[in-house]
Formats: sequence, C-alpha cells, structure tokens
Amino acid sequence: AQTVTQSQPEMSVQEAETVTLSCTYDTSESDYYLFWYKQPPSRQMILVIRQEAYKQQNATENRFSVNFQKAAKSFSLKISDSQLGDAAMYFCAYRTPGSRGGGADGLTFGKGTHLIIQP
Amino acid sequence: GAGVSQSPRYKVAKRGQDVALRCDPISGHVSLFWYQQALGQGPEFLTYFQNEAQLDKSGLPSDRFFAERPEGSVSTLKIQRTQQEDSAVYLCASSLGTIPRYEQYFGPGTRLTVT
Repeated sequence: AQTVTQSQPEMSVQEAETVTLSCTYDTSESDYYLFWYKQPPSRQMILVIRQEAYKQQNATENRFSVNFQKAAKSFSLKISDSQLGDAAMYFCAYRTPGSRGGGADGLTFGKGTHLIIQP
Repeated sequence: GAGVSQSPRYKVAKRGQDVALRCDPISGHVSLFWYQQALGQGPEFLTYFQNEAQLDKSGLPSDRFFAERPEGSVSTLKIQRTQQEDSAVYLCASSLGTIPRYEQYFGPGTRLTVT
C-alpha cells in the first residue's frame, strides 16, 4: 500500500520569507501523480500544485514550486514570498491510475503540516 | 460557477442514530469521491463513483457505512447506528473525468459529532 509521510506537524515563517514543506512517499508503482493541497480554516481543500511522476521538470505555480526527487521518493513544496493568506494546513497527496480498479483512484494523503505566517 | 456543496455543514447525532450526508458535485462531473478526515489527520479515502456506478468501496470502515449516487449526480453517504469513532469531517470531491490529471474539487465538508 502507498503511504505518504509529512514529518513536520507545524512550520512557522516570517511574512515575505521562503519556507519549504517536506513530504516523502512509499510506492512500488512507476507511474503516479503527486499533489499539494491547502486547507484553510474554512476547511475547503484547494489544489496548490501537481506533479506527474514521468515528468522530470519540477512543477511551478507562481510563488509555489516543488522539488521532486523520484529516486528518493521525496516531494517538497517551496513557498516563496510568504503571505498571510498562505496560512493553512498543507497536505501532500499521492494518486495512481487504476490501482483500485475502474480508472481513477482516491487520493492518499499525509497527516499535514500546519503553516503559520508571522507578520 | 458553483462548486461542490455538502449538507448539512454540521451534524450532531446521538450514538446509535442513523445519519445521511449529502453531496452535490459540480455539474457534469463524472467522478465523485468521499473521504473521512479525523481531527488532526489527513483525509482518508472511503469510496468512489463513476457516474452512478460505485467502483470502489474499499475504504468504507464497516458495513454501517453505505453510499449511493443513483442518478449519477447527487450522492448520499449514510451511516447507520453511529458510534463515537465515526466523529469526523466527511469530505466529498468531484472531478470532470476518470483519469488522474483531472483535478478533484472538494466541498466544505460535513462535521459529524457523535455524542
């Protein structure tokens, strides 16, 4: 079974600084997708960034970028120029196509990292 | 356009009661997922629908949990004879297609408290 580990229960960063959230995963699959989701206190989960395992280039979305190390099974999220609105729980998630049958799979999530932005 | 909606947002049930949680996915979304998120944890997969077909229910914790999507749109998660360990936030997500590149859009969740 796939597992996702986020070893940082909480991280704190000064506004405008850069922070990196860690994620490792365990899988025997070669084809899969990795995601970072943000869950603000209102609880609606929002996709931040996604990475396809077959792509060597790290994904980037504005101030958010990932460091994907496939051999090390590591998928960290870097947030540049942190803003107060970035404060939330961040979840790393993993997904493969078809491993449970029928095409799409549910996501496997880590336990999350609580990101605090200090003004 | 409207996102995924869930109702009720909060539900308090006495142990032993049955509850029904509703999910309205984004119109036209083929795939629908249910997750359970315990306090301080990440969401855990419960079940998945492709249109009206329930293709995976491997995550349902017991036979007290039942989900349906009879017309391929609205889905209901039913929990019979609720127990305290069922207390959690239940999240629904939908996506346009069945392959992983389609983003899952999440609803706000239903917080269930069993007393």
